[in-house]
Amino acid sequence: AQSVTQPDIHITVSEGASLELRCNYSYGATPYLFWYVQSPGQGLQLLLKYFSGDTLVQGIKGFEAEFKRSQSSFNLRKPSVHWSDAAEYFCAVGANQAGTALIFGKGTTLSVSS
Amino acid sequence: EAQVTQNPRYLITVTGKKLTVTCSQNMNHEYMSWYRQDPGLGLRQIYYSMNVEVTDKGDVPEGYKVSRKEKRNFPLILESPSPNQTSLYFCASSMRKRNTEAFFGQGTRLTVV
Repeated sequence: AQSVTQPDIHITVSEGASLELRCNYSYGATPYLFWYVQSPGQGLQLLLKYFSGDTLVQGIKGFEAEFKRSQSSFNLRKPSVHWSDAAEYFCAVGANQAGTALIFGKGTTLSVSS
Repeated sequence: EAQVTQNPRYLITVTGKKLTVTCSQNMNHEYMSWYRQDPGLGLRQIYYSMNVEVTDKGDVPEGYKVSRKEKRNFPLILESPSPNQTSLYFCASSMRKRNTEAFFGQGTRLTVV
C-alpha cells in the first residue's frame, strides 16, 4: 500500500542553523512527490515538487529537496532557518497516474529557537 | 487570482444537524477533493471527483457525502454530524494530468458538539 512516513513529529532548530526534514515513501511506480508547509491558522502552501529529471529540486523560501530512489526518500533541506519558517511541514506522494490523489505523511512541526 | 474558496472558515454545530461546506475553484480544474486534518494523523482524503458528475470515495468517506454538479463547485455534506467529525477540512483542486499540483483552500474548522 502507498504510504508516506515522516519519522520526526517535532523538531527544534536554532535560527540560522541548517534544517533537514525526513520523508520516506512507499509507492510501486515512479512517485510524484511534494512538500507542503502549513503556517498556524493557514492553508497548505506548496514548497516544491518532484516529478522526474534532476533529483535535487529547488523550491520557494530557500528550500530544496533531494529524491533518492534507492532509499525511497525525499528529504527537505534548508541551509539557514529563519524564525518565520516555524510551521508544520507535510510530505506527500501523488498516488494516482496524474499525481492528484495525495497521500500525506503525518507532518513534522518545526520550532525555531532564537 | 487563482484560488480555491471554502466557506465557512469556522463552524460550530450540534450533533445531527445537517451542514454543508462549500468549495469553489476558479481555475477550471477537473479534479477536486476533500481532506480532513487531525492532529497526529496528517491529512486524509475523504472524497474526490475526477470531473462533473464523477465522484469516488477516498480513505475516510464514512459520514460524508459530496456532489459535483458543476465543474467549479464541490460541496461537502455532513448529513448527521457527530463529534468525531470535529476536524479541519481542506478542499483541493488540480488539473487532471501529469506534472500538476494541487491547490488548497484555506480550510474549514468544524466543531461538532
